[in-house]
Amino acid sequence: GAGVSQTPSNKVTEKGKYVELRCDPISGHTALYWYRQSLGQGPEFLIYFQGTGAADDSGLPNDRFFAVRPEGSVSTLKIQRTERGDSAVYLCASARGGLETDTQYFGPGTRLTVL
Amino acid sequence: DAKTTQPPSMDCAEGRAANLPCNHSTISGNEYVYWYRQIHSQGPQYIIHGLKNNETNEMASLIITEDRKSSTLILPHATLRDTAVYYCIVSPSARQLTFGSGTQLTVLP
Repeated sequence: GAGVSQTPSNKVTEKGKYVELRCDPISGHTALYWYRQSLGQGPEFLIYFQGTGAADDSGLPNDRFFAVRPEGSVSTLKIQRTERGDSAVYLCASARGGLETDTQYFGPGTRLTVL
Repeated sequence: DAKTTQPPSMDCAEGRAANLPCNHSTISGNEYVYWYRQIHSQGPQYIIHGLKNNETNEMASLIITEDRKSSTLILPHATLRDTAVYYCIVSPSARQLTFGSGTQLTVLP
């Protein structure tokens, strides 16, 4: 079956602009996660959705970052007034969601470059 | 304040077993040991997890010491496609994964 997909695969923007990154989880997965990965580092947790609601948004670095999942499937990560330090690979993962030990399945990521 | 310690890099000959160590001396009783790997330019991939007992699946084996302060991930017959960064994570839940810097495993022909 199809895995987690993310679009676009690459996004180049200018400092100060607004960007949206999209994640399509595996069908039927109720849990969805966003991570950010800087060069040479491991992924850093941003936010976790269970269904439509954000169950844990403690990893969002500031109020320029926001994510939604209005119908409990596709999610969009929104970044306002982008800064050069936002340049990273943004990873999305989904999981069945029913159990604490449910495996997270990751997408290929969106590489964001802020000039 | 890292919860796990892994060597930054390791090499392994193709066809041999790759043994990747992880120290987690402050692990709590309710924390699992998870292993993920990340092949270059891809998202992380789940490998295996365990609580107390050793575990084996089609990808790897996980050996956890009796005191649970360290573990070893074993890839029994490493191939070139196993070249990746391997992350050892301790967490009470798969919903709370904190990735460190991992171990870069290079499988050599």
